Amino acid sequence: EDQVTQSPEALRLQEGESSSLNCSYTVSGLRGLFWYRQDPGKGPEFLFTLYSAGEEKEKERLKATLTKKESFLHITAPKPEDSATYLCAVLDFGNEKLTFGTGTRLTIIP
Amino acid sequence: EAEVAQSPRYKITEKSQAVAFWCDPISGHATLYWYRQILGQGPELLVQFQDESVVDDSQLPKDRFSAERLKGVDSTLKIQPAELGDSAMYLCASTPRGGGALGQFFGPGTRLTVL
Repeated sequence: EDQVTQSPEALRLQEGESSSLNCSYTVSGLRGLFWYRQDPGKGPEFLFTLYSAGEEKEKERLKATLTKKESFLHITAPKPEDSATYLCAVLDFGNEKLTFGTGTRLTIIP
Repeated sequence: EAEVAQSPRYKITEKSQAVAFWCDPISGHATLYWYRQILGQGPELLVQFQDESVVDDSQLPKDRFSAERLKGVDSTLKIQPAELGDSAMYLCASTPRGGGALGQFFGPGTRLTVL
């Protein structure tokens, strides 16, 4: 059974203070690893898909990386508007079912 | 920009009542998903449709939940009767045929509160 563990559960940073969020996963065959951003009371917003170890993707202040066992979401010089819950999910070969982690709740303090 | 539509956005009901949620996926997306998200947790799949056919409903509590996608476009999720533990966000997502690896695109969700 696919498993996704995200850490930390919550993270508070000062504006401009860079950090990383972790997503550890166990799958029989990784078809894709996804990062989503979710604001309170809203649906998840797609950020990135990573397909193979060593792959990296960037969007504004966010950079996602992937190894064979985990993914990191690096946030550089964050701003208060980056405050949200960041969800990681994996897609296994053989089905179209996403398995999500419980998310990291990120708060950026001005 | 194409979006997944859901309604209502909020629903408050009493236990033992029936509720229904509606989802209209992005035009042309063949695969539609219903998820339930309890506060502080990640979304969990309830049911997956490919066109009008159910592909996976293994996590759907079939004694009280039902889902349909009659014409392979929009979909309805129903709960009857609602229980206190059903309070959650119900999310709909869609993806093109065979395009699961491109990512699922979510609607705004329906927040259900059962009193």
